Amino acid sequence: QKEVEQDPGPLSVPEGAIVSLNCTYSNSAFQYFMWYRQYSRKGPELLMYTYSSGNKEDGRFTAQVDKSSKYISLFIRDSQPSDSATYLCAMKEGAQKLVFGQGTRLTINP
Amino acid sequence: GAVVSQHPSWVICKSGTSVKIECRSLDFQATTMFWYRQFPKQSLMLMATSNEGSKATYEQGVEKDKFLINHASLTLSTLTVTSAHPEDSSFYICSASRVAVNTEAFFGQGTRLTVV
Repeated sequence: QKEVEQDPGPLSVPEGAIVSLNCTYSNSAFQYFMWYRQYSRKGPELLMYTYSSGNKEDGRFTAQVDKSSKYISLFIRDSQPSDSATYLCAMKEGAQKLVFGQGTRLTINP
Repeated sequence: GAVVSQHPSWVICKSGTSVKIECRSLDFQATTMFWYRQFPKQSLMLMATSNEGSKATYEQGVEKDKFLINHASLTLSTLTVTSAHPEDSSFYICSASRVAVNTEAFFGQGTRLTVV
């Protein structure tokens, strides 16, 4: 079993839809949770960074962390074609290395 | 803030030659930099962790003599692919964490290496 599981998709939704991206993990010691967006042939761009459980909102993006269920989510509201990319969840324990999910390929159709 | 610049963004080299990739943190000091390799449609694979002024720590299965990493300052780390072969063709990405270790990591734009 991988430490971090993420559905690779692809996921295709119409413009304006709410998108839900999820990751599950097995290491209960993970404390820091991140979501990255990666466009084709580019490096990952940090979208959201959360410490421990709870919600965090930034514009159209909301990150949720449920440590009791070992489950994290990223919601995108009012999705737009420019949101089409691969979304990677990542997490770590203290100063340890980041552990990435496989990435979900998302397409927003105009 | 938190900009990581990677250079070059793409490079083509002949088999047997060496290629150097630079990773710079432009507006913050990075005690730790990470080097990743990414295959098409796959996630990032950590190759090594680089700490300023000390030897890099390589992940299992990564040849340290082939992938030379130098982290000479708080803003610069380099990855040299020595005696490159076609199977080394890949997308290489660096990331950097700020001086306080328990923070998020910021990524460079990646380097597309093609060995012919």
